This record gives sequence, C-alpha cells and structure tokens, in this order.
Amino acid sequence: DAGVTQSPTHLIKTRGQHVTLRCSPISGHKSVSWYQQVLGQGPQFIFQYYEKEERGRGNFPDRFSARQFPNYSSELNVNALLLGDSALYLCASSPRQGVRYGYTFGSGTRLTVV
Amino acid sequence: RKEVEQDPGPFNVPEGATVAFNCTYSNSASQSFFWYRQDCRKEPKLLMSVYSSGNEDGRFTAQLNRASQYISLLIRDSKLSDSATYLCVVSSGSARQLTFGSGTQLTVLP
Repeated sequence: DAGVTQSPTHLIKTRGQHVTLRCSPISGHKSVSWYQQVLGQGPQFIFQYYEKEERGRGNFPDRFSARQFPNYSSELNVNALLLGDSALYLCASSPRQGVRYGYTFGSGTRLTVV
Repeated sequence: RKEVEQDPGPFNVPEGATVAFNCTYSNSASQSFFWYRQDCRKEPKLLMSVYSSGNEDGRFTAQLNRASQYISLLIRDSKLSDSATYLCVVSSGSARQLTFGSGTQLTVLP
C-alpha cells in the first residue's frame, strides 16, 4: 500500500509568488493535516481537514489556505510568499479525526523562497 | 513559554549506553502523547505512543506523568541506528492537532 504521498518534493519560488502543494493520504484515511517545519524546529500545525471540512487551524496568516477533495486528497495554498515561508511542508493522514494512535507523515515538500 | 519543551541536547553517547529524554507540556487538557523520530531531512515517524501506565517496546520505554505534565523516553543499549532527532508530541484540541517540541538530537558513537 502506498503511504502518504506529497508533490512536488522540492520547489523554489520567488517572493510574492503563489504556491500549491498536494497531498494524497493513505487509502482509507479521511483526515489530512498540514504542518510547517522550519530548520531546527519541530513541525507546526497549519490545518486539519476531515470529510472535506476544515476542523482545525493553527496560528498562520490568511495567506495560507487549504482544501480537501472528495477523494480525500488535499491542497495547501500559500499566497504572497515571504522568505520566512521557506520550510519543509508535511502532510499527515489518519483514518479519522481525533485519532488516538498518531498520524502518518508524508516525506514532505521542501519549499525555498528566494 | 513553549507548549512542549524538551531537553535541548545534543546528546552524544557511546554504543550500548542508556539515554533518557525528558519533556514537559503546558496544556493540561492534552489528550494523547507520542514520541516521534526524525532522521535528517526526512519526515517524522511515530516511535511510540505514551500512556500513564508506561509502555515498553523493545529497548524503548516511555512514561507519562499527567500530574506533573511530564513525558520521558528511555533508550537502552543504544545502537548506531538510533542516531536521530527525537520529538516529543502532544495531541490536543477538538481537531486533536499535534504540538511538537523542538526535538532532541541524539548521536550514538561507535
């Protein structure tokens, strides 16, 4: 079975541009969460989606948005990119919201803003 | 104050050593607790869940003290392959989102 897949794996963008990151959860998983990890820190929660609805949002500006599709895949969008948005963006999936036993992460998209 | 605080590290230990990591969390309403392992430039991977009764998985033992809001991880008989960053993680909120500590880097030396 495929794990959590993310695309692209690496991306270089210029300040002010827009970026879309994609995530496909493990088959049968209905919950997708997005995390941002900057160098030297632990991942930070951005969004959680379950059954195509936003169920949680972290402390990120409105430049960050996301959605979940009927097949449970998800997109993370970031507008007006800043240098500080350079990070590893991780997608995590779980069978349902509020899973007790942890989440499975994809290998991430490494975004560099220049 | 950070929601999840860990020993800053780094920890450099010889093979076969026992090493302990500690972690405290500030949200008393936190619901679930985990240790994740992250190799350099890779994604975090679940190492183990942590329960109040304590739990053991081979060479790894995790403990949770809800009263003190304290979590620990003990690694016995360290292997070279244990070298990684260990992340203390708590789950809270209606979305059960994960809050990560900054991680503690472990290097096991031959």
